[in-house]
Amino acid sequence: LAKTTQPISMDSYEGQEVNITCSHNNIATNDYITWYQQFPSQGPRFIIQGYKTKVTNEVASLFIPADRKSSTLSLPRVSLSDTAVYYCLVGVDNYGQNFVFGPGTRLSVLP
Amino acid sequence: EADIYQTPRYLVIGTGKKITLECSQTMGHDKMYWYQQDPGMELHLIHYSYGVNSTEKGDLSSESTVSRIRTEHFPLTLESARPSHTSQYLCASSETSGRIGEQYFGPGTRLTVT
Repeated sequence: LAKTTQPISMDSYEGQEVNITCSHNNIATNDYITWYQQFPSQGPRFIIQGYKTKVTNEVASLFIPADRKSSTLSLPRVSLSDTAVYYCLVGVDNYGQNFVFGPGTRLSVLP
Repeated sequence: EADIYQTPRYLVIGTGKKITLECSQTMGHDKMYWYQQDPGMELHLIHYSYGVNSTEKGDLSSESTVSRIRTEHFPLTLESARPSHTSQYLCASSETSGRIGEQYFGPGTRLTVT
């Protein structure tokens, strides 16, 4: 699976848009990009997944440039409840491959 | 909404005891996983299964064992609990897919070994 690099932490204020960028320079042709959110004492929750260009759902948007060596998770108008750890995963779920969540990005939303 | 259950949610147990952490899902997913996570730290994959009678060890070495006799059930067992096993254990499942499919996580079991 492709190695990913994310900022360890970010601070934001309520109502702002938050962009978290993940670098994955050795992404393979078949790899997908997936983002998860984890609140304290809970399991991670799937947010969004994409392969190229832009994906949007009711929670977030995912921007992927043409070279796919990075991706940006965009959270519009965050609230205090968006305070969580956000993980970027890149790869393909083939037999024998394991998932590495990494340290993720700890987002703190301030009032 | 995902239907994946873990019991117990919290467990405090003495050293040397045998314990089994239960995980069940009602979604018919072939793939199931166990992760270990200490507070504020990364998730580490300790076991996974791609179907009945299939189990593999993950990246993090663990003294625990797992079994997959039924599709919906993926219990984790510690034969002799030690304080170093104190952690949160998270179970997850996903559909068979050619990409990293959406993993559904259970609420976790917080284990404390005294």
